[in-house]
Amino acid sequence: GQQVQQSPTSLVLQEGENAELQCNFSTSLNSMQWFYQRPGGSLISVFYNPSGTKQSGRLTSTTVIKERRSSLHISSSQITDSGTYLCAMELGSNNRIFFGDGTQLVVKP
Amino acid sequence: DPKIIQKPKYLVAVTGSEKILICEQYLGHNAMYWYRQSAKKPLEFMFSYSYQKLMDNQTASSRFQPQSSKKNHLDLQITALKPDDSATYFCASSRGQGTGNTLYFGEGSRLIVV
Repeated sequence: GQQVQQSPTSLVLQEGENAELQCNFSTSLNSMQWFYQRPGGSLISVFYNPSGTKQSGRLTSTTVIKERRSSLHISSSQITDSGTYLCAMELGSNNRIFFGDGTQLVVKP
Repeated sequence: DPKIIQKPKYLVAVTGSEKILICEQYLGHNAMYWYRQSAKKPLEFMFSYSYQKLMDNQTASSRFQPQSSKKNHLDLQITALKPDDSATYFCASSRGQGTGNTLYFGEGSRLIVV
């Protein structure tokens, strides 16, 4: 079954609104990362966040490893935030990385 | 300038043919990977290499063969292509392999098999 569950599947916001993206893991993990992908584009690492809270500009990531979950908060969303946000977990001795299906974010003017 | 170069960006292939996807990274990284993304499935891990050695293989089919001629190269040879192989193939790299290493992705090679 799917080891990484993301919610919501898609999200439409008006510019300026906040977004909360969730990621849940079905198994214990070594670490996790958040990635951003433009339509048809490459992936860019947003956060490497094994635990706790990290902030970068308008983005905040909170990971609670014991509870097997992570969240990505986007404040004051902008049109350029539109795209797909993927969370990925790292597990096993090989540190293999598994991705969720992603949350498709659309920010409208 | 892109630090991970994938070629070709787009590719249309005939069922049964063989193609090679090229990946070169100029980040000085020691670990390289291949991932596949299709409409039906999330981004899937395929292979990982560290110092030109295969570390992990999640691909069941032997039709997919990674090839590393240099430390910063990891090509992907696909034989006997099938329509289900249609996907975007992403190459990635990291400084090392293990916890704490961020992945850097190339722009992808979009393969369509007809």
